[in-house]
Amino acid sequence: QSALTQPASVSGSPGQSITISCTGTSNDIGRYDSVSWYQQHPGKAPKLIISDVIHRPSGDSNRFSGSKSGNTASLTISGLQAEDEADYYCCSYRPTMTWVFGGGTKLTVL
Amino acid sequence: QVHLVQSGAEVKKPGASVKVSCKTSGYTFTDYYIHWVRQAPGQGLEWMGWINLKNGGTNYAHNFQGRVTMTRDTSISTAYLDLSSLTSDDTAIYYCARVKILGLTTSTTYFDYWGQGTLVTVSS
Repeated sequence: QSALTQPASVSGSPGQSITISCTGTSNDIGRYDSVSWYQQHPGKAPKLIISDVIHRPSGDSNRFSGSKSGNTASLTISGLQAEDEADYYCCSYRPTMTWVFGGGTKLTVL
Repeated sequence: QVHLVQSGAEVKKPGASVKVSCKTSGYTFTDYYIHWVRQAPGQGLEWMGWINLKNGGTNYAHNFQGRVTMTRDTSISTAYLDLSSLTSDDTAIYYCARVKILGLTTSTTYFDYWGQGTLVTVSS
């Protein structure tokens, strides 16, 4: 069961926007609108930031947004802040109630 | 408020088994699945499987079938992960995370609350 493909690292300056891609197949991302994204700071548990491709948990920052096209989902963070420096993971639902994660992307705020 | 609190760190020898617990509070236990996800040192997240807390049904990732057992005790709102025949490759932080039950065989598809993680070290 291959993981979803994410870039190993991305970087941006404070105030800029960055986008992290997550590529799957027609059997996961391409088939379901069930992509979620998680932020993980060092030594901490992952935190849900986007569900079902585009939805943000209530009360969370609107600087995070999600989208999908074909077999690729994307996470965009606008107005980068130092606190956004973390690892980001995408996750997709797969047939018969299974899930798969991306390999993770390390975001560096310059 | 929702809490998932996991048991403490474990050190095991190769070939042994480990049991990790995930005690939940702040919501109706049987309205959710508990999924288990692990993270090897410096590596990404790996989905291991789930247990339906209402009926005890399970589904395990192919990589772990035959070695993993997920159970629950509804009387104390706690889910458990058992992993056997441990090797050094099983050294990781193990997380529990919840997913809401929608129907008989359906759920939401995202993990909205996570436990704090349990470090399992396998070493001779």
